[in-house]
Amino acid sequence: GENVEQHPSTLSVQEGDSAVIKCTYSDSASNYFPWYKQELGKRPQLIIDIRSNVGEKKDQRIAVTLNKTAKHFSLHITETQPEDSAVYFCAARPTDSWGKLQFGAGTQVVVTP
Amino acid sequence: DGGITQSPKYLFRKEGQNVTLSCEQNLNHDAMYWYRQDPGQGLRLIYYSQIVNDFQKGDIAEGYSVSREKKESFPLTVTSAQKNPTAFYLCASSIGGSLGNQPQHFGDGTRLSIL
Repeated sequence: GENVEQHPSTLSVQEGDSAVIKCTYSDSASNYFPWYKQELGKRPQLIIDIRSNVGEKKDQRIAVTLNKTAKHFSLHITETQPEDSAVYFCAARPTDSWGKLQFGAGTQVVVTP
Repeated sequence: DGGITQSPKYLFRKEGQNVTLSCEQNLNHDAMYWYRQDPGQGLRLIYYSQIVNDFQKGDIAEGYSVSREKKESFPLTVTSAQKNPTAFYLCASSIGGSLGNQPQHFGDGTRLSIL
């Protein structure tokens, strides 16, 4: 089955700097990769997603890149702000498992003023 | 998302007791999911349903049961066979579709603890 590894587990950045979170996946046939942001005690919220026919997608300060050959995808947050502090989860959907997302273990991001 | 409602927010279970977590959505989504989240870990899939009257086991289905009698409702029962039920339970839904790669949107969750 699909296995998703996420690094780092914690990330501390100064306000205004960039943050990068990387995930690797094992199933080369996986074709959908969402990223979720979860604040303490709250629901995960979809912040951006990418499909395997696209190499990069950007939405304001957030971007995701996908390298299918290397089987990894990354979340980039530029000009970080204190409200970006949260746990971020990546996920991958293998093609042989309808709708089933395999999640990474999460990255705790702390943005210090 | 305001369209997915989970209740109750907090739930306590006694030994040997079954408890049911409610999940209702008004987004007209075909697919619904139940996840379990333990502290410091990612989400693990318990059960999912692609369409009314149909559901499949996820990665950690043992000790849980579900039903999908209505499109908008997907209740999860945590049975007494689940020996370690303390966790944060999240319900999600998505449009569905043949490929299953549509965004999933989550409810606010139910925190279950053992008395």
